Amino acid sequence: GEDVEQSLFLSVREGDSSVINCTYTDSSSTYLYWYKQEPGAGLQLLTYIFSNMDMKQDQRLTVLLNKKDKHLSLRIADTQTGDSAIYFCAGSGIQGAQKLVFGQGTRLTINP
Amino acid sequence: GAGVSQTPSNKVTEKGKYVELRCDPISGHTALYWYRQSLGQGPEFLIYFQGTGAADDSGLPNDRFFAVRPEGSVSTLKIQRTERGDSAVYLCASSLHQNTEAFFGQGTRLTVV
Repeated sequence: GEDVEQSLFLSVREGDSSVINCTYTDSSSTYLYWYKQEPGAGLQLLTYIFSNMDMKQDQRLTVLLNKKDKHLSLRIADTQTGDSAIYFCAGSGIQGAQKLVFGQGTRLTINP
Repeated sequence: GAGVSQTPSNKVTEKGKYVELRCDPISGHTALYWYRQSLGQGPEFLIYFQGTGAADDSGLPNDRFFAVRPEGSVSTLKIQRTERGDSAVYLCASSLHQNTEAFFGQGTRLTVV
């Protein structure tokens, strides 16, 4: 089955860009997602990319997809203290979007 | 309601007891999903409903876990003979159709003592 891996921690200075990386194993994944989880809150969908795209930009967020290397990244420009959270990469397997496989999450810490 | 609602938000139970966790999806959403998130991990898929039927229950860890959605709206996740290893946050999500964006509830934190 699908396996999704992320580094566990990332620390950046306020105002810098954050880049969170993810690798996945299932090349047939249709959609790849980035979710944000703040303490005590549910998962919030930030953005997603369809597998036939290699880049998607949405305001401060840029998603890059390298299908050959099965690598997905999320870049947050001008990182703010409110961006502190755990970020999860998730992929949908051959069954489609209803069965997401999540990575372990990357805890993003913002330093003043 | 405006979002996915899960009750209770916290549940503490003794080992061996039976528990029920409830999920109220967004009105009109046909698809409903249950995930389990252990401490320090990402959510793991448990079961997916399309309407009233369980379309995929391959993530349920064993036969102590069961879920229903009798009228195609509210769903209940039932855990029999709870074990300490069942302690986790149980997340519910719903989507308008099976391949559209899933919206998550805030979860039920289950602690088995």
